[in-house]
Amino acid sequence: NAGVTQTPKFQVLKTGQSMTLQCAQDMNHNSMYWYRQDPGMGLRLIYYSASEGTTDKGEVPNGYNVSRLNKREFSLRLESAAPSQTSVYFCASSASPNTEAFFGQGTRLTVV
Amino acid sequence: QKEVEQNSGPLSVPEGAIASLNCTYSDRGSQSFFWYRQYSGKSPELIMFIYSNGDKEDGRFTAQLNKASQYVSLLIRDSQPSDSATYLCAVNSDGATNKLIFGTGTLLAVQP
Repeated sequence: NAGVTQTPKFQVLKTGQSMTLQCAQDMNHNSMYWYRQDPGMGLRLIYYSASEGTTDKGEVPNGYNVSRLNKREFSLRLESAAPSQTSVYFCASSASPNTEAFFGQGTRLTVV
Repeated sequence: QKEVEQNSGPLSVPEGAIASLNCTYSDRGSQSFFWYRQYSGKSPELIMFIYSNGDKEDGRFTAQLNKASQYVSLLIRDSQPSDSATYLCAVNSDGATNKLIFGTGTLLAVQP
């Protein structure tokens, strides 16, 4: 009964390094999302994928890329990490536009 | 203007009182509205969703939607200390592509 699984849970990067955050869901959901959460800023949408094969920019896409590898997996890549990307990242999925989004446990990323 | 706006709080209420949380949104075409609760250090979890104008009740929680005025609210009756958390309003701002946007959240503190 995994739901939405994110890896890793914690990561420290040096400025300029790259990394990929992985997300997988086992609920056969069509839509998947990546958010970042910073103090006082709420959840801000980075990218989303309404269905397999499509991706769209959210509110704060700069500095990120995504891949919807298949229906289950949606990855987020930081090509050249910056201290401003220090945040908690959440992946989420939902069956359809009008249904509940389920969240992963989050990845706490620090860029030094 | 942010698409979904909430008062950041903190909103402090005594135990047993009614807590009232409010949210406004900018996209008149929005179709789906959600309230999530997030405890510190945890992932958001769904409290309620509402699609139609009016009230929707679930136990101690009531969601209210007014599309003409573009606001949605959450009432928590008989507030308990365990209700102390950040409450996030989320709006599906584009029903066709499922772009789920969150407000910044309201911190609720229920005083014993």
